[in-house]
Amino acid sequence: GEDVEQSLFLSVREGDSSVINCTYTDSSSTYLYWYKQEPGAGLQLLTYIFSNMDMKQDQRLTVLLNKKDKHLSLRIADTQTGDSAIYFCAEKRAGNNRKLIWGLGTSLAVNP
Amino acid sequence: DTGVSQDPRHKITKRGQNVTFRCDPISEHNRLYWYRQTLGQGPEFLTYFQNEAQLEKSRLLSDRFSAERPKGSFSTLEIQRTEQGDSAMYLCASSPYGLAGYNEQFFGPGTRLTVL
Repeated sequence: GEDVEQSLFLSVREGDSSVINCTYTDSSSTYLYWYKQEPGAGLQLLTYIFSNMDMKQDQRLTVLLNKKDKHLSLRIADTQTGDSAIYFCAEKRAGNNRKLIWGLGTSLAVNP
Repeated sequence: DTGVSQDPRHKITKRGQNVTFRCDPISEHNRLYWYRQTLGQGPEFLTYFQNEAQLEKSRLLSDRFSAERPKGSFSTLEIQRTEQGDSAMYLCASSPYGLAGYNEQFFGPGTRLTVL
């Protein structure tokens, strides 16, 4: 995870918006992903963004990409207790159509 | 269930023993990946197959680790002479081949290994 960094913890109240941030170092990244991991469950792809886009919206999820600053964020609107999980940012680099480079994950706690 | 499955879900072993894990990918996916995840970390890439060919191995994969995908379908990951540092969640993922695209990797539930 040394090339992809995330804050480790975030706590929000139910109904508020959550913003999870990620920074990466490789400017050749082609796709960036957000995965969700719930206890005892596998990693689930939430959304992704292609590097030539700066925003993508999918229902309650909004992804913002600042390629100049190599900064990615995930906004969850109207956060629910079921959104409590660990959120991982991952990147795929140009020329490497295989492995993903992962951050350490942000643990989101949603308080009622 | 048409997702990625892994077996066993949990394995407890004594140091020095050999263990083998199995991954069954989604049937039409020809790419298969193994990752390792320790507590508080993101997944770390171990190895990758396209069909039966092992195309990339991480330097994390020491000589004690071997992975196979003999018929291009299921894969096995074997760890010989296990050490306590091998304790981790071993994740398998699969993806379809595509010339371009976002290469979504579908993950299995993982095998949690505890080495005593």
